[in-house]
Amino acid sequence: KAGVTQTPRYLIKTRGQQVTLSCSPISGHRSVSWYQQTPGQGLQFLFEYFSETQRNKGNFPGRFSGRQFSNSRSEMNVSTLELGDSALYLCASKSGGANEQYFGPGTRLTVT
Amino acid sequence: AQSVTQPDIHITVSEGASLELRCNYSYGATPYLFWYVQSPGQGLQLLLKYFSGDTLVQGIKGFEAEFKRSQSSFNLRKPSVHWSDAAEYFCASFTGGGNKLTFGTGTQLKVEL
Repeated sequence: KAGVTQTPRYLIKTRGQQVTLSCSPISGHRSVSWYQQTPGQGLQFLFEYFSETQRNKGNFPGRFSGRQFSNSRSEMNVSTLELGDSALYLCASKSGGANEQYFGPGTRLTVT
Repeated sequence: AQSVTQPDIHITVSEGASLELRCNYSYGATPYLFWYVQSPGQGLQLLLKYFSGDTLVQGIKGFEAEFKRSQSSFNLRKPSVHWSDAAEYFCASFTGGGNKLTFGTGTQLKVEL
């Protein structure tokens, strides 16, 4: 089975712009979660989607949003980018009956 | 709120030596516990997991971990480290009913040849 894929792998954006990141889960996995990884804050949970519904949300401002499509693919959007949004954004998928999450390679976002 | 602590930020071991990475969790009930490894510029790879049952769990790449409820610990071990094990290791947990993983701050492992 193919693993979790994320596109693009690298992005450079300017403050004030918005960005959309994409995640394709492992085939058959319906739960997709997003995490932000920074040197200062470490790995932090953003949100989780299951069957196109947000089930869980971390402590991030409303500029961070996401959605999930009927094929379980997910996107996250960050509007009005700030320098502090520079991070590695990781997507993870999980099958319905399991507890372990499998991560993609991440999207490295740099905000200048 | 639950938390995960990895006391060691950096660890250096010689190739062929044994390894133990420490992890402590803070939660009343038994959480689901995981160890992940991250190579530079890469995502997280699941090494092993503990949910219940046998407290010694085996994972990939020769790693094992032992759950000790009395010490609230879930330490990762490997009998003989290889240079390719150099990476950052994360301990993580979540409680049943939610899929939010709480991560420790990570331990950077350096392997000396």
